[in-house]
Amino acid sequence: DAKTTQPTSMDCAEGRAANLPCNHSTISGNEYVYWYRQIHSQGPQYIIHGLKNNETNEMASLIITEDRKSSTLILPHATLRDTAVYYCIVRVRGGTSYGKLTFGQGTILTVHP
Amino acid sequence: NAGVTQTPKFQVLKTGQSMTLQCAQDMNHEYMSWYRQDPGMGLRLIHYSVGAGITDQGEVPNGYNVSRSTTEDFPLRLLSAAPSQTSVYFCASNSGAGSEQYFGPGTRLTVT
Repeated sequence: DAKTTQPTSMDCAEGRAANLPCNHSTISGNEYVYWYRQIHSQGPQYIIHGLKNNETNEMASLIITEDRKSSTLILPHATLRDTAVYYCIVRVRGGTSYGKLTFGQGTILTVHP
Repeated sequence: NAGVTQTPKFQVLKTGQSMTLQCAQDMNHEYMSWYRQDPGMGLRLIHYSVGAGITDQGEVPNGYNVSRSTTEDFPLRLLSAAPSQTSVYFCASNSGAGSEQYFGPGTRLTVT
């Protein structure tokens, strides 16, 4: 699986958009970009994933650059409950392999009142 | 749906004791896995299963056993607990290879 690089920490004001970047310059053509988050003391929570098109769901939007070497997770209106560690992971989807999740250090997002 | 459930939430063991951490899911997912998370670190894969009767080792399998007799359940057994196994344990399930994983709330284990 391709390696990812994320900033160690970011701050965001409540109600503003939080834009979390991720670099994955060695991503392969069949690897997807996944985002998870872990709120303190809880299990990781799946947020969104994408291959090359931008994606949106009820939690967030995912913007993937045309060359697929980087992506941005957007929380459109951050709340205090969005304070968490956010993990960007690239991995193959489908096929016969297990598809292990490799969690790096992630980005600590702190949302301020 | 309850999703992924884990019991117990907390456990204290003495060195050398054995115990089983329980994990169950009601989403009919074929894939299940166990991770551990140590303070300030990411999750590390212990064991995983791609279907009933099929299990395999992850990154840190030593000291742990698993079995998968049903689709719903995936218990993790600590054979002889050691202080190095003090950690938070998360169980996860997913529907297919590489699909998004859904995690349980975790079991916080302390071995003294």
